Amino acid sequence: QQPVQSPQAVILREGEDAVINCSSSKALYSVHWYRQKHGEAPVFLMILLKGGEQKGHEKISASFNEKKQQSSLYLTASQLSYSGTYFCGTGTTNSGYALNFGKGTSLLVTP
Amino acid sequence: EAQVTQNPRYLITVTGKKLTVTCSQNMNHEYMSWYRQDPGLGLRQIYYSMNVEVTDKGDVPEGYKVSRKEKRNFPLILESPSPNQTSLYFCASSLLSSGTELNEQFFGPGTRLTVL
Repeated sequence: QQPVQSPQAVILREGEDAVINCSSSKALYSVHWYRQKHGEAPVFLMILLKGGEQKGHEKISASFNEKKQQSSLYLTASQLSYSGTYFCGTGTTNSGYALNFGKGTSLLVTP
Repeated sequence: EAQVTQNPRYLITVTGKKLTVTCSQNMNHEYMSWYRQDPGLGLRQIYYSMNVEVTDKGDVPEGYKVSRKEKRNFPLILESPSPNQTSLYFCASSLLSSGTELNEQFFGPGTRLTVL
């Protein structure tokens, strides 16, 4: 089952903040965040693991609530380059190598 | 340069004509995976492989085959393509940490497949 992302789309002005949420109906072992610009391949942002470990870019902030099976990606002081579609991928405790990606959140940052 | 390559990048074919999309990585990654991307549906995993000769189904494996005979290559085979397999396909690779977690996945440039 695909995790559910919200919102589906968001428009920001440069400098504003945004939060993208990812929610799963299954117990999670890991949450992976990627950004995809139009016509390009997805690019890695961050991995959050059960137990608190995080791997990823220092300028990206995210949280992982294991009990609620939810993760949030925090985009602060947004820049034009943040525009794109953000995907969360979830790994369950049963199969850490399989990833279920959400349908994506489209983010547009305007001048 | 570290990269994942896919070939072909674009392919138009007809129903039932067998095809193979190749994927190769030069980073010595154990893990490789295939995804399809359709508008409004996000990325869906087709198959993945943890190492040579070890593959497993993802969410949408029907109609696809894979093989992993060498560490660097992970071809996707459509033995009898149908129009509902028209999609954008991405191959990805990653190092594996101990335990059961993936690391950063590196994606190929994508293959746009149209089945008429």
